[in-house]
Amino acid sequence: KAGVTQTPRYLIKTRGQQVTLSCSPISGHRSVSWYQQTPGQGLQFLFEYFSETQRNKGNFPGRFSGRQFSNSRSEMNVSTLELGDSALYLCASSSRAIQRGTEAFFGQGTRLTVV
Amino acid sequence: KQEVTQIPAALSVPEGENLVLNCSFTDSAIYNLQWFRQDPGKGLTSLLLIQSSQREQTSGRLNASLDKSSGRSTLYIAASQPGDSATYLCAPMNQAGTALIFGKGTTLSVSS
Repeated sequence: KAGVTQTPRYLIKTRGQQVTLSCSPISGHRSVSWYQQTPGQGLQFLFEYFSETQRNKGNFPGRFSGRQFSNSRSEMNVSTLELGDSALYLCASSSRAIQRGTEAFFGQGTRLTVV
Repeated sequence: KQEVTQIPAALSVPEGENLVLNCSFTDSAIYNLQWFRQDPGKGLTSLLLIQSSQREQTSGRLNASLDKSSGRSTLYIAASQPGDSATYLCAPMNQAGTALIFGKGTTLSVSS
């Protein structure tokens, strides 16, 4: 069974640009969560999508947005990039909404560098 | 608000040693707790999921225990190998929460 797939693996963008990251969950999983990982802040929750609906959102500015498609694939968008957005972005897939306590499986991440 | 602390932050051991990684959390109302492994620059690999009703969970050389009432979990690694070198993260899932809350991790280095 294929795991969680994130594309692209690496991105370099310029300040002010926007970026879209993609996550394909494990087949049959309907929940996709996004996390940002930085050396200073560690892993921080961005948002969760379940059955095409955003269920929960972390404490991030409105420049961070996402969506989920009917096939459960999810995209995350960051507009007006800032240097501080440089991070490893991870998505997690689970069969039920993450707050139901089901096991989460992570992708390999997208390394975003903003210059 | 759930806070997760992992001690020690870093650990270096020779190959073959048994070791214990510690995780403490402030809110004991959890569904479960997951232990993950992260290699440098890579994603997270789920190691063990221990439900709030369980005391222990085992997978190969790994054993995780959970004491919900005291807000503690330990990950025991038996007969450590250089391939075990990675950062280990614990993440409880609150009953009233909306996301996994992660500790800063323990970075393990096993020398041959």
